[in-house]
Amino acid sequence: DAGVIQSPRHEVTEMGQEVTLRCKLISGHNSLFWYRQTMMRGLELLIYFNNNVPIDDSGMPEDRFSAKMPNASFSTLKIQPSEPRDSAVYFCASGQGATDTQYFGPGTRLTVL
Amino acid sequence: TQLLEQSPQFLSIQEGENLTVYCNSSSVFSSLQWYRQEPGEGPVLLVTVVTGGEVKKLKRLTFQFGDARKDSSLHITAAQPGDTGLYLCAGARSNYQLIWGAGTKLIIKP
Repeated sequence: DAGVIQSPRHEVTEMGQEVTLRCKLISGHNSLFWYRQTMMRGLELLIYFNNNVPIDDSGMPEDRFSAKMPNASFSTLKIQPSEPRDSAVYFCASGQGATDTQYFGPGTRLTVL
Repeated sequence: TQLLEQSPQFLSIQEGENLTVYCNSSSVFSSLQWYRQEPGEGPVLLVTVVTGGEVKKLKRLTFQFGDARKDSSLHITAAQPGDTGLYLCAGARSNYQLIWGAGTKLIIKP
């Protein structure tokens, strides 16, 4: 298995632009997590899906952030409009339960100028 | 409020030395996971401890779960440059909530 796949690996955009991050889960996994990692705040859970349904989105910073899971193997995280404070590394992870082992993708490094 | 405190936040030591990283909480966890993250990559699971007092060994790494399941430690013997990375602990609070520590950044100098 190729593991969790994220794209793009790097994204540089200007403030106000829309950003879409993509994630392909490991086949057979039913849980999907989006995280944001910064030096200041460490690893923060943004949203957790189980069987394509959002279970916990309390970590989503504000309405500018939205996440979808249109099918069992794919998810997107969208930021619109983006702001410089959104600059971070965004990870998605998949697993077979909320507290089971999480398999992380390589991350997307987002820079908003 | 940090529910899971990791210490130290940063540690830089020479190759061959021993070290211990701590993960502490006032909350009880049903299990606790340790991950290692290398630069430019996502965290990778090292071990999961489930039973209070449990000790697990992974080559030179020894993981211990506290008797009350509120704390855990990671001890590395004879550290090597390949051990360099960010070590994260994550505690399972319920069947859907995993609480992450802030991490310990470890640098092993040759």
